[in-house]
Amino acid sequence: ETGVTQSPTHLIKTRGQQVTLRCSSQSGHNTVSWYQQALGQGPQFIFQYYREEENGRGNFPPRFSGLQFPNYSSELNVNALELDDSALYLCASSLGGKTTYEQYFGPGTRLTVT
Amino acid sequence: DQQVKQNSPSLSVQEGRISILNCDYTNSMFDYFLWYKKYPAEGPTFLISISSIKDKNEDGRFTVFLNKSAKHLSLHIVPSQPGDSAVYFCAASGASNTGKLIFGQGTTLQVKP
Repeated sequence: ETGVTQSPTHLIKTRGQQVTLRCSSQSGHNTVSWYQQALGQGPQFIFQYYREEENGRGNFPPRFSGLQFPNYSSELNVNALELDDSALYLCASSLGGKTTYEQYFGPGTRLTVT
Repeated sequence: DQQVKQNSPSLSVQEGRISILNCDYTNSMFDYFLWYKKYPAEGPTFLISISSIKDKNEDGRFTVFLNKSAKHLSLHIVPSQPGDSAVYFCAASGASNTGKLIFGQGTTLQVKP
């Protein structure tokens, strides 16, 4: 069974640029959630995708957007990067839609905005 | 508004003793609670969970207790081992019906040999 993978591992961008982060869900999982974890904080929910549709969104501006593909992999796109976007971005996969609670996380992508 | 709180940033215990990590929540609509463990440079790893219809769930050395009236849950690790040293997050779900997890700030556990 393949676990959740994320790419890239680390990324450095300049303020105002755009970034795309990628996630492959665990084998058999059809739901992907994205979280932002700032230093010293717990992960914060950005949004969730279930069967290629957004299934809920946290308190993040529209410049945070996502996609889920037919193979259930997912992308997180962030436009007009700000310094405060520097964080660890975590992807989690799970089986099922709204009633799924146990989410399995990837190792994360460390984004630094300068 | 911090709906899930872990008020102890850190905890240090001796190997073989019990570790007790605490978590408080404010939203009575939460119906499922989870604990995750996180090592540096890794994503959080699911540890144990509990439904709001239960007050205890046990898995090996790990036991989670839920006190709904106090809106409080705790994770007990017995006996503690040096490999348990990590950051522990509690998380809650169910209020928004989207599978969204709301995490606490985390507690760093150090188990001394």
